[in-house]
Amino acid sequence: DQQVKQNSPSLSVQEGRISILNCDYTNSMFDYFLWYKKYPAEGPTFLISISSIKDKNEDGRFTVFLNKSAKHLSLHIVPSQPGDSAVYFCAASSYSGAGSYQLTFGKGTKLSVIP
Amino acid sequence: GAGVSQSPSNKVTEKGKDVELRCDPISGHTALYWYRQSLGQGLEFLIYFQGNSAPDKSGLPSDRFSAERTGGSVSTLTIQRTQQEDSAVYLCASSWTVNTGELFFGEGSRLTVL
Repeated sequence: DQQVKQNSPSLSVQEGRISILNCDYTNSMFDYFLWYKKYPAEGPTFLISISSIKDKNEDGRFTVFLNKSAKHLSLHIVPSQPGDSAVYFCAASSYSGAGSYQLTFGKGTKLSVIP
Repeated sequence: GAGVSQSPSNKVTEKGKDVELRCDPISGHTALYWYRQSLGQGLEFLIYFQGNSAPDKSGLPSDRFSAERTGGSVSTLTIQRTQQEDSAVYLCASSWTVNTGELFFGEGSRLTVL
């Protein structure tokens, strides 16, 4: 039972345009949401996050939107650049006690930005 | 280096053999996680260490999998009697004590079981 779903395995976008990556979740106990970016043969790197008490967080070209009622979040990249081509993982965090947060990841969306 | 270090980067083994994967976390990070990514799948949680607390082993897929963390630093993930379905990239991550999920990942150990 997937608690974090990324329904688009891949996305192609023209350079300079907006990339929108989507993520849905089912567990209402998740209280923090994150996006990670992964290049081939490298480990994932943290990109941006949002607390469940907010609906938007912006960092440069990257903005994450959270719609709690719909249990949906999205990552917007504007403008998209060829260097953004990577696999993007959506992750959700829940507190599991004693300072422990457990991350649940989606399967990832491969973004290709075409020059 | 300053990042999470994993070894070996690649391991090819025969079915039934035991393998050990090593992770050296970022200095000062008390939390250490193991995840694995099978082909076409997301990152699957395996085990979590936090300081001197008992590890959270809830993600280990079978009793062939075990992990230890010595001295609160280096961790070893051991897979006994490997099976072909164990083939995956095993990722280690570390973080500070209290953390909402911003983990620092190593580059992973790619395990191929023939």
